[in-house]
Amino acid sequence: AQTVTQSQPEMSVQEAETVTLSCTYDTSESNYYLFWYKQPPSRQMILVIRQEAYKQQNATENRFSVNFQKAAKSFSLKISDSQLGDTAMYFCAFMRINNNDMRFGAGTRLTVKP
Amino acid sequence: DTGVSQDPRHKITKRGQNVTFRCDPISEHNRLYWYRQTLGQGPEFLTYFQNEAQLEKSRLLSDRFSAERPKGSFSTLEIQRTEQGDSAMYLCASSVVGEGETQYFGPGTRLLVL
Repeated sequence: AQTVTQSQPEMSVQEAETVTLSCTYDTSESNYYLFWYKQPPSRQMILVIRQEAYKQQNATENRFSVNFQKAAKSFSLKISDSQLGDTAMYFCAFMRINNNDMRFGAGTRLTVKP
Repeated sequence: DTGVSQDPRHKITKRGQNVTFRCDPISEHNRLYWYRQTLGQGPEFLTYFQNEAQLEKSRLLSDRFSAERPKGSFSTLEIQRTEQGDSAMYLCASSVVGEGETQYFGPGTRLLVL
């Protein structure tokens, strides 16, 4: 069974600084998708970034980038130039190709301090 | 594009009552998913539809839970004989086949069973 582990329940960062959120996963599959979702307080979950496992290049979306280490089954999220609006729960998620059972980690609560 | 919508946003019910939630996906999204999220946890997959066909159900989905998507557009999730353990946020998401399986989430329905 696929499992996703986020080992940091809470993190904080000063505004404008950089923070990295960790995620590891367990799978025997060779091809799959990985996602980071953001869930602001009392607001809906939105996609931050996604990575296809067959792509070696790390995905980037503006201030957000990932460090995808397939052999280590690690998928960390780096947020650069943190902004107050980045305060949210961040969930790492895994999904096999052609299987829509997406597995989420328990989340990391990120607080950006002014 | 109005995004995924869910109704109601909040529901309080007494143990033993039946409740029904509705989800309207992004138009032309042929896949629709239901998740349950309890406090402090990531979402857990319940079931998904491709068009009107329910293709997968989690073992979490007891016999008291039923989901439908009769015309391949909106979906309903019904919980019969609610229990206090059913208290959670119920999330709906939708996606398009062939677009990397990115799921777009609705705001959720928060259920409290007294």
